[in-house]
Amino acid sequence: KAGVTQTPRYLIKTRGQQVTLSCSPISGHRSVSWYQQTPGQGLQFLFEYFSETQRNKGNFPGRFSGRQFSNSRSEMNVSTLELGDSALYLCASSLEGSRPNEQFFGPGTRLTVL
Amino acid sequence: AQSVTQPDIHITVSEGASLELRCNYSYGATPYLFWYVQSPGQGLQLLLKYFSGDTLVQGIKGFEAEFKRSQSSFNLRKPSVHWSDAAEYFCAVVGGSQGNLIFGKGTKLSVKP
Repeated sequence: KAGVTQTPRYLIKTRGQQVTLSCSPISGHRSVSWYQQTPGQGLQFLFEYFSETQRNKGNFPGRFSGRQFSNSRSEMNVSTLELGDSALYLCASSLEGSRPNEQFFGPGTRLTVL
Repeated sequence: AQSVTQPDIHITVSEGASLELRCNYSYGATPYLFWYVQSPGQGLQLLLKYFSGDTLVQGIKGFEAEFKRSQSSFNLRKPSVHWSDAAEYFCAVVGGSQGNLIFGKGTKLSVKP
C-alpha cells in the first residue's frame, strides 16, 4: 500500500505570494492533518480534515487554510507569505476518526520564503 | 494544556551502547503516547505507541518505551545502538478531545563509531 505522498517536495516563493501544497493520504484513510515544522517552534498542528470538513484547527492565522476533496486528498494554502512561513510542512493521514488515531506521515514539503 | 517535554536536545552515544531518551508529558487523563523518528529530509516514522495495557511497549527497530504514570514519563530505550539510528526523535501525546498530536521539541541522536 502506498504511503502518504506530498507534492511538491520543495518550493521557493517570495514574500507576499501565495502557495498551495498537496497531500494524498494512504488509500482508505479519511482523516488528513497538517503540521508545520520549524527549528524554533518545532512541530505544530495546523488543522485536520475529515470527510471534507475541517474538524480541528490549531493556533495559526487565517492566512493558513485548507480543504479536503471527496477522494480524501487535501490541500493547504498559505496566502500573503511571510519569511516566517519558511518551514517543512508535514501531512499525516489516519483511518476514520476514532480516538486515538495512529497518524502516518508523508515526507513533507519544504517551503522557503525569500 | 497538554504539553510534552524532551529535556535533552542532543545526545551522542557510541555504537553498541545503550540508549535512553527522556520524555515527560503533562496531561490530566489517560495519555495516548507516541515516539516518532525523523531522518534528515524525511517525514516522521512511528516507532511505537502506548494507548493502554502493558506499560512496557515494544516497537520497531529494537526500540521499547516504558509508560510510568507516577512520573508522567514515557522514555524510549534501545539496548544497543546502531549507526543507522542517528536521527531526531520526537515524543508526542494526543491532545485532548481534539485528537491532534502535541510534540516535544525533539532529541537529536548522534552515534559515534
